[in-house]
Amino acid sequence: EVQLVESGGGLVKPGGSLRVSCAASGFTFSLYTMNWVRQAPGKGLEWLASISSGSSHIYYADSVRGRFTISRDSAKNSLYLQMNSLRTDDTAVYFCAREKDAIDVWGQGTMVTVSA
Amino acid sequence: QSVVTQPPSASGTPGQRVSISCFGDTSNVGRNYVYWYQQLPGTAPRILIQRNNQRPSGVPDRFSGSKSGTSASLAISGLRSEDEADYYCATWDDTLSNWVFGGGTRLTVL
Repeated sequence: EVQLVESGGGLVKPGGSLRVSCAASGFTFSLYTMNWVRQAPGKGLEWLASISSGSSHIYYADSVRGRFTISRDSAKNSLYLQMNSLRTDDTAVYFCAREKDAIDVWGQGTMVTVSA
Repeated sequence: QSVVTQPPSASGTPGQRVSISCFGDTSNVGRNYVYWYQQLPGTAPRILIQRNNQRPSGVPDRFSGSKSGTSASLAISGLRSEDEADYYCATWDDTLSNWVFGGGTRLTVL
């Protein structure tokens, strides 16, 4: 079964840092582009970042460029999002998602709350 | 505010056919495939339509997609109570070099 499981969410103060992770299983992780998408409480989906299978192509949304860093470790079948200089408006559920032509498989998400 | 827009809400009665629209421009919807997702309350999104009009395996044929120019539509026929959810369109934007999601449409089954 194809599965993505996020972890690492929690409560962090404004200006702080947090790293969320995504463990992939049930497919050949190294062959797929991976993405992070978030959803603020009661709001819509916001794409944040993508990383190609070999990490050669990385893209960011303007809202997080320079603050967030996407990375992957294919030996560990894992995807990461390092988040620095967090703001209250970064509060959201963070989803990792596989891309095969489309963003086709999503994890259940991990909640990140930025609050003093 | 997203560069791809959807109506915030839609509604229908059981058995009815409803349509949800998605409007973009020549750098996104007009040039790339459109995908549709269903998000039930408290769950992760699920892909419904890929490449404008293709249903992944397991998606009922009550769901259909279409695209014309810079707009796309998701149609749901034979509406059921379990279709009550948020629906999002998504596409790649060539100018931004990123995926863009519509703002989402909340479907209510009356």
